[in-house]
Amino acid sequence: EADIYQTPRYLVIGTGKKITLECSQTMGHDKMYWYQQDPGMELHLIHYSYGVNSTEKGDLSSESTVSRIRTEHFPLTLESARPSHTSQYLCATSSGSLLVQFFGPGTRLTVL
Amino acid sequence: EDKVVQSPLSLVVHEGDTVTLNCSYEVTNFRSLLWYKQEKKAPTFLFMLTSSGIEKKSGRLSSILDKKELSSILNITATQTGDSAIYLCAVNSGGSNYKLTFGKGTLLTVNP
Repeated sequence: EADIYQTPRYLVIGTGKKITLECSQTMGHDKMYWYQQDPGMELHLIHYSYGVNSTEKGDLSSESTVSRIRTEHFPLTLESARPSHTSQYLCATSSGSLLVQFFGPGTRLTVL
Repeated sequence: EDKVVQSPLSLVVHEGDTVTLNCSYEVTNFRSLLWYKQEKKAPTFLFMLTSSGIEKKSGRLSSILDKKELSSILNITATQTGDSAIYLCAVNSGGSNYKLTFGKGTLLTVNP
């Protein structure tokens, strides 16, 4: 079944830890995106990729990094987590010239 | 910088009421406007409106794009408690850009 998977769904960690948020998809889509969303606020694009070995920073500055080595996988890494990184992180995909993006279930990150 | 403004930010109604949610935008090169419904976690796609498709309808939900007024409305008739969610509006500004700019959303609460 075509779907978007994000792991972990919830993560509570201490300051200074390195973390990787996983996003994988079986949608067969070429484009992938990472959004950050705080409660009551807009989704802000932090990274996107239009294909393998292609990554770009989004409109919201972020200390995270991403990689796109395989079409179906788009992990996001924080080298040293801080309380300001506490947020919900949503992964999305889209295909070809279609503008509709489909979202994964999200990861709720809390940094203590 | 692209901008999307939604109103109201929150709305409480009773089951059976009809609601109208608003979205206005300022973008450099409008290509499409999308509506999403966000319940507990991931936004789910509702409609996409473009210059060639300014009105969409699905069951009790319908949406209209007004390119002259740079706005869109989302109507929900005969509301049900299951309609309670955050409704997000997003705009794409075209070209080779597949990114979406989101508004803050309207939190709709439908009481029995």
